[in-house]
Amino acid sequence: RKEVEQDPGPFNVPEGATVAFNCTYSNSASQSFFWYRQDCRKEPKLLMSVYSSGNEDGRFTAQLNRASQYISLLIRDSKLSDSATYLCVVGLMDSSYKLIFGSGTRLLVRP
Amino acid sequence: ETGVTQTPRHLVMGMTNKKSLKCEQHLGHNAMYWYKQSAKKPLELMFVYSLEERVENNSVPSRFSPECPNSSHLFLHLHTLQPEDSALYLCASSQDVGGSTDTQYFGPGTRLTVL
Repeated sequence: RKEVEQDPGPFNVPEGATVAFNCTYSNSASQSFFWYRQDCRKEPKLLMSVYSSGNEDGRFTAQLNRASQYISLLIRDSKLSDSATYLCVVGLMDSSYKLIFGSGTRLLVRP
Repeated sequence: ETGVTQTPRHLVMGMTNKKSLKCEQHLGHNAMYWYKQSAKKPLELMFVYSLEERVENNSVPSRFSPECPNSSHLFLHLHTLQPEDSALYLCASSQDVGGSTDTQYFGPGTRLTVL
């Protein structure tokens, strides 16, 4: 079983749509949670951290369910510029602290 | 833009060549990382350095040899690579290792092709 699992997509949505991505993680000792965004042939960039109480940043809402080991990202009012791959990332302490990346979910927003 | 630079951006090498990838961070961070990103696979952590000391070596073949001469620079020395080593190699830095809120900032990557 993969440590961090995501639906690879692509999710193809019209501008203005609301889209949700889900992610599950296998290690219950995971301590921190993030969504990164990676544009085509570019490096990953932090989109937002995910907190237990859920958090919102503009059109983006992230939620965490520790009991189900599940993380979500909701994007409202999608823009063309939201087209990218969204990486679910989990941080945990092993021999040292490390980030475990999912393979990503690809989003295409069409005009 | 990100404060982490990598050179070269693209590299093509034969299996018998020796080359080095360079990473430099201008953020005053104490931790630096090498990741490998292959097509349709998640980022794989290769090495972690904290204050110039290697704190993680993620079962990486010895044909990859990291070097961290100071907290701002990180190298990945490559020798006798295999075609399956072709990938995007990403460098990242963070303020420290072990902080659950530490953000990792990535460089643009070196796209490596091994012939």
